[in-house]
Amino acid sequence: SQTIHQWPATLVQPVGSPLSLECTVEGTSNPNLYWYRQAAGRGLQLLFYSVGIGQISSEVPQNLSASRPQDRQFILSSKKLLLSDSGFYLCAWIGPASGRPWFGDTQYFGPGTRLTVL
Amino acid sequence: AQSVTQLGSHVSVSEGALVLLRCNYSSSVPPYLFWYVQYPNQGLQLLLKYTTGATLVKGINGFEAEFKKSETSFHLTKPSAHMSDAAEYFCAVSEGQPGNEKLTFGTGTRLTIIP
Repeated sequence: SQTIHQWPATLVQPVGSPLSLECTVEGTSNPNLYWYRQAAGRGLQLLFYSVGIGQISSEVPQNLSASRPQDRQFILSSKKLLLSDSGFYLCAWIGPASGRPWFGDTQYFGPGTRLTVL
Repeated sequence: AQSVTQLGSHVSVSEGALVLLRCNYSSSVPPYLFWYVQYPNQGLQLLLKYTTGATLVKGINGFEAEFKKSETSFHLTKPSAHMSDAAEYFCAVSEGQPGNEKLTFGTGTRLTIIP
């Protein structure tokens, strides 16, 4: 079965420090991958998506960047964190619902990384 | 651009009572609509989705939602609340083609169940 991993689970970083969050997917190949951010009191916002290795689309201008060095690896980065980068970062991929074929292909989310910038 | 509005950031219901979480959307094309649930410190789990066909969609854990085009609504309901339903619920609408859906989420509704 397919699984999606994110690490670290929590992270506290000072303003101006760099960031690297990693997402990996197992049990599938060539997935579409997504990074979302959930800021305090707000809904989830799509940051980046990728349809293949080296292919990144940015949805909103921001202080972050994304890369996809391998088929099942998606990385979110920043050279210098801002206070406004704090939030809950979720990686997602599109695939069939395990055990629920009536759902069809849809987005499935990882456990998330909670980032606090101080 | 598509958007989603969830009315009520917090909803409290008694155990055994009806759960109703409201969602309205705007879309210039026929939408795909979703409800996700998020338990504390966890990622999002798909409850149900609407694409085409039957407007009443049944999901997991006894939840269902009805797509009403005339009202641009996709409200989530459950006949009898259980303590385990306490969580945050997100309504979403998709952009993009099936297989590359870009989801636009509402701000979420936190559901509290009163014993």
